[in-house]
Amino acid sequence: AQTVTQSQPEMSVQEAETVTLSCTYDTSESDYYLFWYKQPPSRQMILVIRQEAYKQQNATENRFSVNFQKAAKSFSLKISDSQLGDAAMYFCAYNHQGGSEKLVFGKGTKLTVNP
Amino acid sequence: EAQVTQNPRYLITVTGKKLTVTCSQNMNHEYMSWYRQDPGLGLRQIYYSMNVEVTDKGDVPEGYKVSRKEKRNFPLILESPSPNQTSLYFCASKVLAGGREQYFGPGTRLTVT
Repeated sequence: AQTVTQSQPEMSVQEAETVTLSCTYDTSESDYYLFWYKQPPSRQMILVIRQEAYKQQNATENRFSVNFQKAAKSFSLKISDSQLGDAAMYFCAYNHQGGSEKLVFGKGTKLTVNP
Repeated sequence: EAQVTQNPRYLITVTGKKLTVTCSQNMNHEYMSWYRQDPGLGLRQIYYSMNVEVTDKGDVPEGYKVSRKEKRNFPLILESPSPNQTSLYFCASKVLAGGREQYFGPGTRLTVT
């Protein structure tokens, strides 16, 4: 079964600085998708960024980018120019293809942004 | 506005009293799913549905039921709730095409005493 590991339960960053959140996963599949979701205090799950495993190019969305290392099964999220509104729980998720199509989530990293 | 809605948002109930959490999406998505979120465990899938009248168990289905009689609705039923079902519940939907993002509802905070 696929597993997703986020080794940093909590992280903090100064406003305007850059922070990287780590995620590793375990799978025997070759074709899959990876996501980062943000959960602010409102509890809403918000998609931050998505990566297709067959693409070598790392995905970027404005201040958010990923470092996808397929061989190492690593999928880290970099947040540049951190803003107070970035403070939230961040979840890394693996998309199981076929069958249940479920998202397998890591346990999350709580990001604090200090002014 | 494209969205997934859930009701109620908060619910406190007692052990054994049947309850239903409703979920509705207006994006014509084929796929719908229920997750529960517990501290330190992330989100885990309870049930999912690939289309109308097609449902199947996820990783933690015990104590839950679902139905999919219409494409837009996917209610979660707890026939006899127990305290270990106290949790934050999310409904999600997506198109079936591979790798598309799941859109989440706002969550339902359930407390069973």
